[in-house]
Amino acid sequence: DSGVTQTPKHLITATGQRVTLRCSPRSGDLSVYWYQQSLDQGLQFLIQYYNGEERAKGNILERFSAQQFPDLHSELNLSSLELGDSALYFCASRRDSLNTGELFFGEGSRLTVL
Amino acid sequence: AQSVSQHNHHVILSEAASLELGCNYSYGGTVNLFWYVQYPGQHLQLLLKYFSGDPLVKGIKGFEAEFIKSKFSFNLRKPSVQWSDTAEYFCAVKDSGYSTLTFGKGTMLLVSP
Repeated sequence: DSGVTQTPKHLITATGQRVTLRCSPRSGDLSVYWYQQSLDQGLQFLIQYYNGEERAKGNILERFSAQQFPDLHSELNLSSLELGDSALYFCASRRDSLNTGELFFGEGSRLTVL
Repeated sequence: AQSVSQHNHHVILSEAASLELGCNYSYGGTVNLFWYVQYPGQHLQLLLKYFSGDPLVKGIKGFEAEFIKSKFSFNLRKPSVQWSDTAEYFCAVKDSGYSTLTFGKGTMLLVSP
């Protein structure tokens, strides 16, 4: 158990819909990262938050957005879903935003868009 | 932008065989290097990491990796694999001064008993 909790574990929805994925980081970790894992693209960095503020942005589509709340949990919102958005979405946390320390990953949320 | 290349998508070995998984990255500056493992149905876990010092890094479960700066490589090795090593292995690189990790596409290792 990494200490990072993600919900839901599995989600099936239809094209055009909107979903929200939730992540609770490890206790004390201020940084939260979102990654998308698909068969063809591998693990792609989406976005990072540190203590409520957006810190870095990766290959995140405009249809996707995220935020980190005062209690440090984070949500990833995916809208106008397309078939290609089907993937495993991982959240990871780290103690600080400095360039040290490992990322601790949650078990992921598997999204299937039909 | 940083990119990470893992040479093999799938590797199949028999138990007790030696393992070497290749990883190359593109950025030539100061980097931090990681190998993560994802066992079936589980989350990614850190195997080992390199920040500085001895380029030969030892990790958990008998894994080690060697950082060769001149070759931009960070290959993962294990002298004798076990069936329980069946998993997907990811190399990751972080440029010093940045906070995000760039992952390779992963290598799926299947160890047959």
